[in-house]
Amino acid sequence: GNSVTQMEGPVTLSEEAFLTINCTYTATGYPSLFWYVQYPGEGLQLLLKATKADDKGSNKGFEATYRKETTSFHLEKGSVQVSDSAVYFCALIGAGTSYGKLTFGQGTILTVHP
Amino acid sequence: DAGVIQSPRHEVTEMGQEVTLRCKPISGHNSLFWYRQTMMRGLELLIYFNNNVPIDDSGMPEDRFSAKMPNASFSTLKIQPSEPRDSAVYFCASSQDSGRTDTQYFGPGTRLTVL
Repeated sequence: GNSVTQMEGPVTLSEEAFLTINCTYTATGYPSLFWYVQYPGEGLQLLLKATKADDKGSNKGFEATYRKETTSFHLEKGSVQVSDSAVYFCALIGAGTSYGKLTFGQGTILTVHP
Repeated sequence: DAGVIQSPRHEVTEMGQEVTLRCKPISGHNSLFWYRQTMMRGLELLIYFNNNVPIDDSGMPEDRFSAKMPNASFSTLKIQPSEPRDSAVYFCASSQDSGRTDTQYFGPGTRLTVL
C-alpha cells in the first residue's frame, strides 16, 4: 500500500535559518504529492503540491521538488520566520486512486525562535 | 467565505455515551471528507462523500461509527457507544470537485475526549 515517511521532529531553528524537512514515499506509479501545514488550534491548509515527476511546488517561500528517482518530496525554505512555527505534513494521493484519498506522514513539528 | 465549519470544537463525554460531530462544508463544494488524528495513528481518512453519497467508508473503524450527509451543506459523524480509544481530533474537509488533486479545505477540528 501507499505510505509516507517524514523526518522525526521536533525541529527547532532560529529565525532566518534554512529549513529542510525530509519526506519519502512508497507508492506504485506516479502519485500526486502534497505538503500541508497545521498552525496551532487550526485545521490543515494546503501549502504546496506537485502532480508529476520533476515538478516543483512553491508557496510562501517554501519549495518542494517531486523526485521520482529517490521517491522524495523534501520541503525547503531559505529563511524561516517565527510565524512558520507549525506542524508540517507530507501526503500523497495514489496514482490508482479515483478521488482525493490522502495518505499522510506522521507530521513534523517546527518551532522557530526569534 | 466562512470556510469549513465544525461543531463542537471540544467535546468531553463519558464512555458509553453517544457523540455527534457536525460539519458544514464550503458552499458549492461537492466532496466531503472526515478524518481522525491521533498520536498513535496520525491522520486517517474515515469516510468520503461525493454529492452527498458515501463513496468510500473503508476507513470507518467499527460499526459504532456512522456518518451521514443529508444535504449538501451538512454532515454528521456519530459514535455510539463511545469508548476512551475514540479520543482524538476529528477533522472535516471539503473540496470543490472529486478530482484527485482538488484542494481539500479543512475545518478547525473537534477535539473529542472520552472518559
